[in-house]
Amino acid sequence: SQQGEEDPQALSIQEGENATMNCSYKTSINNLQWYRQNSGRGLVHLILIRSNEREKHSGRLRVTLDTSKKSSSLLITASRAADTASYFCATSNTGFQKLVFGTGTRLLVSP
Amino acid sequence: GAVVSQHPSRVICKSGTSVKIECRSLDFQATTMFWYRQFPKKSLMLMATSNEGSKATYEQGVEKDKFLINHASLTLSTLTVTSAHPEDSSFYICSARVAGGPYHNEQFFGPGTRLTVL
Repeated sequence: SQQGEEDPQALSIQEGENATMNCSYKTSINNLQWYRQNSGRGLVHLILIRSNEREKHSGRLRVTLDTSKKSSSLLITASRAADTASYFCATSNTGFQKLVFGTGTRLLVSP
Repeated sequence: GAVVSQHPSRVICKSGTSVKIECRSLDFQATTMFWYRQFPKKSLMLMATSNEGSKATYEQGVEKDKFLINHASLTLSTLTVTSAHPEDSSFYICSARVAGGPYHNEQFFGPGTRLTVL
């Protein structure tokens, strides 16, 4: 399977703390994207980082990409209860064609 | 952003019946749509790529005759689960790739359809 691996599988933190999720993938990529999914819902696109980029920021989100290690991390700073969701990384090796999703991290942020 | 809808959001059917799920891009044209399947607490697995006006491309292990895909227009793709069985129960999600405009080539996801086969 080409599916990426994410760790941790589950993460439980308090509001205000930072949450870090890691994603590893197996093949060369054109870009890597992070998505959030609330329980039983569709996916919300968070951020995209291209293979020639190393770091990207969007609000409280910070994404890094290390193509030599085939890994990425998503950092959510100053977490809120509303950040509780599952987070998936997804890679594409041909521009914006089909995505291969990671296994996901379930994040629980307690008030 | 661009909006993708799915209908129905939930469906319960009897074993042996067929179920059709619609995926629509509401405010943009999509030459390509993707169908994913997600089991509880699991990741999304790509089932097939649907191209407007041509046959869908199925991923390895996905039965073409079981999961019929039709992409008849630039705003609509349908997935029909034929002769559904309990093991087909799952969450089905579509995404649409934008053709043209400020979101050209980006993918937007529908809210998903929960299928339960009794």
